[in-house]
Amino acid sequence: EAGVAQSPRYKIIEKRQSVAFWCNPISGHATLYWYQQILGQGPKLLIQFQNNGVVDDSQLPKDRFSAERLKGVDSTLKIQPAKLEDSAVYLCASSPSMRDNYEQYFGPGTRLTVT
Amino acid sequence: DAKTTQPPSMDCAEGRAANLPCNHSTISGNEYVYWYRQIHSQGPQYIIHGLKNNETNEMASLIITEDRKSSTLILPHATLRDTAVYYCIGGYSTLTFGKGTMLLVSP
Repeated sequence: EAGVAQSPRYKIIEKRQSVAFWCNPISGHATLYWYQQILGQGPKLLIQFQNNGVVDDSQLPKDRFSAERLKGVDSTLKIQPAKLEDSAVYLCASSPSMRDNYEQYFGPGTRLTVT
Repeated sequence: DAKTTQPPSMDCAEGRAANLPCNHSTISGNEYVYWYRQIHSQGPQYIIHGLKNNETNEMASLIITEDRKSSTLILPHATLRDTAVYYCIGGYSTLTFGKGTMLLVSP
């Protein structure tokens, strides 16, 4: 079974530029999550999708962050414009359903550096 | 989600049992205890979860106290590959990660 795929693995941008991350969840997984992990901290949930609908985006900085999951499969997370404090690892995870979300499968993450 | 408290770091000798404690005194009746771990430069990995009863799987055992205010994750025979940050999470439908415990397994 293929795992959660993310790209790119690394990205360096200057502040005020825009950036996009892509995630392909495990086939058949209805629930998809984006997390932000700042160095030395645990992952923080940014947004949760159930199929192509948003379940929870309460911690997403909506003035600069956006995410979509068209067709309920792949997802993209965008930051525009980026700030220095956005430097972090962005993790995508998926689970079979909201009811079975105790086991989330995480991708390798995208490490973003904003200079 | 319940607030959890874990020691920032622990050491364990290879081949010995690693016992990782977690305090979750504010956990409510329908909240589970989840354990994940994160090896350096990888995404977190699910280990085990439980509600009231002790649980065991191929990776670890989870011992939950009767009052559910604390739990212990047991890795019965730690190996060098078990070196990671271990997260204890109390919740129902979402995962709120703290800083976890950095477990260092040494030869």
